[in-house]
Amino acid sequence: EVQLLESGGGLVQPGGSLRLSCAASGFTFSNYAMSWVRQAPGKGLEWVSGISGSGSSTYYADSVKGRFTISRDNSKNTLYLQMNSLRAEDTAVYYCAKDQGQWGEMATIHGYWGQGALVTFSS
Amino acid sequence: SYELTQPPSVSVSPGQTASITCFGDKLGDKYACWYQQKPGQSPVLVIYQDTKRPSGIPERFSGSNSGNTATLTISGTQAMDEADYYCQAWDSSTVVFGGGTKLTVL
Repeated sequence: EVQLLESGGGLVQPGGSLRLSCAASGFTFSNYAMSWVRQAPGKGLEWVSGISGSGSSTYYADSVKGRFTISRDNSKNTLYLQMNSLRAEDTAVYYCAKDQGQWGEMATIHGYWGQGALVTFSS
Repeated sequence: SYELTQPPSVSVSPGQTASITCFGDKLGDKYACWYQQKPGQSPVLVIYQDTKRPSGIPERFSGSNSGNTATLTISGTQAMDEADYYCQAWDSSTVVFGGGTKLTVL
């Protein structure tokens, strides 16, 4: 059974940093491209970043480019999102998601989603 | 940047057919997929590559994509289908979601 378990969310101050993790199990992690997708409270889904199975190719939304870094450790079956220079508008639930098919350079069909990690800001 | 536009809400009576549209420039030249999200839950893929259903998704869910519009159709809509639905495509190494449509079954 495919499982994706996000962790690392929490309260952060504007300008601060946070690293999210997504522990994967139930499939050959290195064969699949992965994504981070976020959802602000009461709002729709927004794609944040994607990475190939090998980790050699990465992709970012304009809204986070230069501030967020996606990476993966295939030996640990874990996906990461390093978030720097955080802004109030980054408040959201962050989901990791797995591509539907193998060997893609970018996850374009998100067949499995984690339960999400909440990132909120303290005033 | 590429954009996908959905109606904010659609209403349907139980047992009837619901259609949710997704508009994007030359969307028919790309693959579209659809996600269902119920309150407090993670999204679930219900249609991919325009017309394909993942295993476990009921046959009443179907999709089409032509011209500038992709459509999710739910035949014989049930109360359990009440949810938010999002279309998604990808363009120029960017994944794009529509704004979402709230389907109300009443």
